[in-house]
Amino acid sequence: EVQLVESGGGLVQPGGSLRLSCAASGFIFTDYEINWVRQAPGKGLEWVSYISTSGSTIYYADSVKGRFTVSRDNAKKLVFLQMNSLRVEDTAVYYCAREGVDLDSWGLGTLVTVSS
Amino acid sequence: EIVLTQSPATLSLSPGERATLSCRASQSVSTSLTWYQQKSGQAPRLLIYDASKRATGIPARFSGSGSGTDFTLTISTLEPEDFAVYYCQQRSDWPPITFGQGTRLEIK
Repeated sequence: EVQLVESGGGLVQPGGSLRLSCAASGFIFTDYEINWVRQAPGKGLEWVSYISTSGSTIYYADSVKGRFTVSRDNAKKLVFLQMNSLRVEDTAVYYCAREGVDLDSWGLGTLVTVSS
Repeated sequence: EIVLTQSPATLSLSPGERATLSCRASQSVSTSLTWYQQKSGQAPRLLIYDASKRATGIPARFSGSGSGTDFTLTISTLEPEDFAVYYCQQRSDWPPITFGQGTRLEIK
């Protein structure tokens, strides 16, 4: 069974940092690109970042460019999202999603709250 | 950036009725249009990709159509479990991947 499990969310002050993890199982990890998508409370979906299978191609939404860094460890089947200089508007549930036929499998998400 | 506009914002129907949800793109996305369903407190689930192809395990009552800038998600006969929020998404011209603002399908 395909599984993606996010972790690392929590409460952080504005300007702070968090590192999210996405642990994959049930599929050949190195065959799939991974995206991060977030959802602010009561709002819609917003794409955040993409990483290719090898990690050589990476994209970011303009709203996080220069502050967030995505990476992956294929040996451990993990994807990371390092989030620095966090803002109140980064408050959201963060999902990792596998890119098969588009975003065909999603984790349950991890909540990031940026507040003083 | 391609903007996707979904209508209506909220659709109120009864089980057994037919639902028609629309998604309009600010420029052509060919058939690179995807639909997701999100139930309250859950992650999104892939329903339709390439505008009209059902994802694995999706019931036949869900269908997608359209190309270019106008797309439709149709649920032929609503089941109680179909009441949720539906999002369209494009990746014809990306990054960024963009989503519509969602249509809430609620029980009348």
